[in-house]
Amino acid sequence: DGGITQSPKYLFRKEGQNVTLSCEQNLNHDAMYWYRQDPGQGLRLIYYSQIVNDFQKGDIAEGYSVSREKKESFPLTVTSAQKNPTAFYLCASSRDRGPGGYGYTFGSGTRLTVV
Amino acid sequence: GESVGLHLPTLSVQEGDNSIINCAYSNSASDYFIWYKQESGKGPQFIIDIRSNMDKRQGQRVTVLLNKTVKHLSLQIAATQPGDSAVYFCAENLQGGKLIFGQGTELSVKP
Repeated sequence: DGGITQSPKYLFRKEGQNVTLSCEQNLNHDAMYWYRQDPGQGLRLIYYSQIVNDFQKGDIAEGYSVSREKKESFPLTVTSAQKNPTAFYLCASSRDRGPGGYGYTFGSGTRLTVV
Repeated sequence: GESVGLHLPTLSVQEGDNSIINCAYSNSASDYFIWYKQESGKGPQFIIDIRSNMDKRQGQRVTVLLNKTVKHLSLQIAATQPGDSAVYFCAENLQGGKLIFGQGTELSVKP
């Protein structure tokens, strides 16, 4: 079955550490996205990528970094510069961003907690 | 500016009743709209979508209505069940750009 997989489901980070969240899709989707969700709030875009080896900052990119070396993979690194990283992180993918639009397929999320 | 918002942050309905969740969008150039359902601790799941050349689309127990005149989108759930309890997000696509999500409405179904 095609889908998008995020791992791990739960992640704990110590102060000052970098951590990397994994996102893999086998849907052959061109575009991939990372969102952050805080309790009781909507989705905020961190980074997105339309094509391999290219990505753009979203609305809250500070303290995060990404790479897109393969079409299937879009890992997110939460760096020590992110002062409030505790949140639920969602990865999504879509076919493309051409006219007419396409919906996103979401992963099941990673809950990151600073300890 | 571009924004998608929901009129009510929470909605409580009795099991078996119909639910209506509303969404206002501000960009008249948006050409595609989607409703997502998010259960606690999970990622959003696609429910139904509608393109701007339509004003109504029906799925299984769900109907989406689009009123471009007042830039309003609604999701109707017929015979609401406890399993429908979740947060519902609307999203708009600005002519091929990335999706813009609303804040979400939490639907609570009372048995």
